[in-house]
Amino acid sequence: DTAVSQTPKYLVTQMGNDKSIKCEQNLGHDTMYWYKQDSKKFLKIMFSYNNKELIINETVPNRFSPKSPDKAHLNLHINSLELGDSAVYFCASSQVMLAGDSNEQFFGPGTRLTVL
Amino acid sequence: GQQVMQIPQYQHVQEGEDFTTYCNSSTTLSNIQWYKQRPGGHPVFLIQLVKSGEVKKQKRLTFQFGEAKKNSSLHITATQTTDVGTYFCAGPGTDSWGKFQFGAGTQVVVTP
Repeated sequence: DTAVSQTPKYLVTQMGNDKSIKCEQNLGHDTMYWYKQDSKKFLKIMFSYNNKELIINETVPNRFSPKSPDKAHLNLHINSLELGDSAVYFCASSQVMLAGDSNEQFFGPGTRLTVL
Repeated sequence: GQQVMQIPQYQHVQEGEDFTTYCNSSTTLSNIQWYKQRPGGHPVFLIQLVKSGEVKKQKRLTFQFGEAKKNSSLHITATQTTDVGTYFCAGPGTDSWGKFQFGAGTQVVVTP
């Protein structure tokens, strides 16, 4: 069974469109994250949710809106897509989020978004 | 704010050689994690270090946490082609719980 799954794996779309990426984890974790990885492999956290509540919202354009219907799911909706949004988006989860605890993050396979 | 820096950015290694990648933080870290991302894959957790001066080994990989808990290293001995990938260190932020900051990664290429 896949621990953290994302759909779709690839997403190619035109500028200005709206798209969503879905993420599900079956690990029973309380915390979920969205990361953006650019072409230089740099991983940057975008959002973090703990028990369906938004905890971290980095300086991400408000065109990006996460939604957590329950603690096993964290979806990412992107409005008015721009060329600069092209990247690989990773969902991740961890059991806890407190610094100092064992909070290994489990990553999904990623969604490669290409905006034309 | 806290910054996690990683060097080198790229590492070309001959198969069988050793190499080390380094991670430095501008602030003291409560713990540090290391991840490996194979080409086309996703980051996979390798290890977490918590104690000052801690050293942990996983087969040919040796992880070390500095005494001041501001730096860490990953040393790989007798590199194999399976070691290809990008190695990231990550440390928890001081201002937000759960806000792990990843280093820029070291991309490792192994030539047979």
